Amino acid sequence: SYVLTQPPSVSVAPGETAKLTCGANNIGIDTVHWYQQRPGQAPVLVVYDDTDRPSGIPERFSGSNSGNTATLTISRVEAGDEADYYCQVWDSHSDHLVFGGGTKLTVL
Amino acid sequence: EVQLVETGGGLMQPGGSLRLSCAASGFNVSTHYMSWVRQAPGKGLDWVSIIYSGGTTYYADSVKGRFTISRDSSKNTLYLQMNSLRAEDTAVYYCARHFYDGSGIPDYYFDYWGQGTLVTVSS
Repeated sequence: SYVLTQPPSVSVAPGETAKLTCGANNIGIDTVHWYQQRPGQAPVLVVYDDTDRPSGIPERFSGSNSGNTATLTISRVEAGDEADYYCQVWDSHSDHLVFGGGTKLTVL
Repeated sequence: EVQLVETGGGLMQPGGSLRLSCAASGFNVSTHYMSWVRQAPGKGLDWVSIIYSGGTTYYADSVKGRFTISRDSSKNTLYLQMNSLRAEDTAVYYCARHFYDGSGIPDYYFDYWGQGTLVTVSS
């Protein structure tokens, strides 16, 4: 089965850049989407189709996907970016939607 | 404005049944792929099931044979019938809409989520 591996936690100082990874064998040939979830709230889409950003999402959020790793990059991190972040793909071989385990981003 | 409102959660005993509803507004549930996603307390997101606009359905292995996704176009509502409930089904259940721009094939990412409804399975 398709497994997406995310580091459980990432810490970064305000103003710095956070790189959140999502790993799987040959994930670069699939399309990856990213969600932000703040405590007690529903998830919010922050990047779709590997690199695109929905309207209303700051340009500080960007995505890339190549080889065995997809990456969500958050530039100039702010305190309000502190949240859990999940990557997601559709596995066409099993017809299952798959989420990564999530990464908790802590802003120091 | 697109809105999704889940109802039907509650405390259930193991082995029991429950039906969740997701009332949609601002769009037609039959024109979009729709999914149920759950989140156990303190855990990550866990996909449960999807229904395509054409009616095809798929399920996570953990719920296949116990849960059934459906929709009622006249009520513009998505459902999740949950049977043979287990303690490990305890979670907040979200309904979520997959993106579709009205042409071509819908995408598999979620552009709208409901606020979720809590299902607790315990004796």
